[in-house]
Amino acid sequence: DTAVSQTPKYLVTQMGNDKSIKCEQNLGHDTMYWYKQDSKKFLKIMFSYNNKELIINETVPNRFSPKSPDKAHLNLHINSLELGDSAVYFCASSLRDTTEAFFGQGTRLTVV
Amino acid sequence: AQTVTQSQPEMSVQEAETVTLSCTYDTSESNYYLFWYKQPPSRQMILVIRQEAYKQQNATENRFSVNFQKAAKSFSLKISDSQLGDTAMYFCAFMKHETQGAQKLVFGQGTRLTINP
Repeated sequence: DTAVSQTPKYLVTQMGNDKSIKCEQNLGHDTMYWYKQDSKKFLKIMFSYNNKELIINETVPNRFSPKSPDKAHLNLHINSLELGDSAVYFCASSLRDTTEAFFGQGTRLTVV
Repeated sequence: AQTVTQSQPEMSVQEAETVTLSCTYDTSESNYYLFWYKQPPSRQMILVIRQEAYKQQNATENRFSVNFQKAAKSFSLKISDSQLGDTAMYFCAFMKHETQGAQKLVFGQGTRLTINP
């Protein structure tokens, strides 16, 4: 009965590859997010979707493309992976107009 | 743009002691929220406590309490009777009130807290 689940939890891949991280929430929330935590533990928002509509798009390279097939899912596809993309990526969800965000367990992406 | 600053990269105390983590923020907003999140070694982000800026009363959750000084833009977290399970990274976060659904958290750099037996 995991609330926000991400797959995979760990991902090791070579530079130049394309990879996807999946996120699903079973909380009935209508807003989902992707955050990136770098090697210094700094967390920063990347994207937010509300009812499948892109609401927040921070300064993120075009190689990162979020996709929300429905409001319970928000996937992150990354093209042409670079060493600097190595980080932990967190998915989160919330209800519109509420303040509590529920986080997934994160996906540790390592680009070699 | 909002910024959040945690000036203590690391702290260490003995079990059962009280510890205070500092956080300051910068914003021109008047309506916003402040949070403390805990990230243990499991990597899970856990909400510890939340404060609404319009409330003067400091939030408390069991052993966790905050000292919210709005004029000084300060939001410290006090952990009383610290336990080994409190060992974690602690992040202070700011969220301004949005009217169109998506709420963006702006995080500080984090404080690594170690509780020693």
